[in-house]
Amino acid sequence: DQQVKQNSPSLSVQEGRISILNCDYTNSMFDYFLWYKKYPAEGPTFLISISSIKDKNEDGRFTVFLNKSAKHLSLHIVPSQPGDSAVYFCAASGGGSQGNLIFGKGTKLSVKP
Amino acid sequence: DARVTQTPRHKVTEMGQEVTMRCQPILGHNTVFWYRQTMMQGLELLAYFRNRAPLDDSGMPKDRFSAEMPDATLATLKIQPSEPRDSAVYFCASGLVIGRGLALQFGPGTRLTVL
Repeated sequence: DQQVKQNSPSLSVQEGRISILNCDYTNSMFDYFLWYKKYPAEGPTFLISISSIKDKNEDGRFTVFLNKSAKHLSLHIVPSQPGDSAVYFCAASGGGSQGNLIFGKGTKLSVKP
Repeated sequence: DARVTQTPRHKVTEMGQEVTMRCQPILGHNTVFWYRQTMMQGLELLAYFRNRAPLDDSGMPKDRFSAEMPDATLATLKIQPSEPRDSAVYFCASGLVIGRGLALQFGPGTRLTVL
């Protein structure tokens, strides 16, 4: 049973528009959430994180929103750029997971010029 | 610029052969993870270590997989015997647990093909 779910395997967006990637989780004890970006033939790289005591964290074009009551988080990229095309993984930790990170299956974002 | 390194980057082997993948975590990081990426399962946790002690290897098929950290600079993942279903990209990642936050840095991965 997946504890972290990314229900959209892919997303296509026009350059300059907003990209919204979604993630749901089932374990209410998770208290730290992260987004990773992965290009082909490379390892995932850390993008942005949020603690459960916050509902928003912003870093440049990237903003992560956390809705604890809905057990939902989202990553907004605005404006989207072709270089943002990659697979985005949502991850969560805490809740008795002993500090490990549980990842979703990823969403492949394509930003078209 | 500290990085996690993994060797080999690519490995092609025949079913039944032993495969050993190596990882050098970032110096000073106290947690090391092994993940496997497949199309169906995304990033699947296989095992992880904190301060070189194994904390969780429940994601690993115990009969054929083993993970060790003989010292702080080396983590190994071994498959014996390998099977075609083991074909995947295997990532090592290391991190430093700070409070309740943990941001991992991943290596480039080992692409394993078992024929």
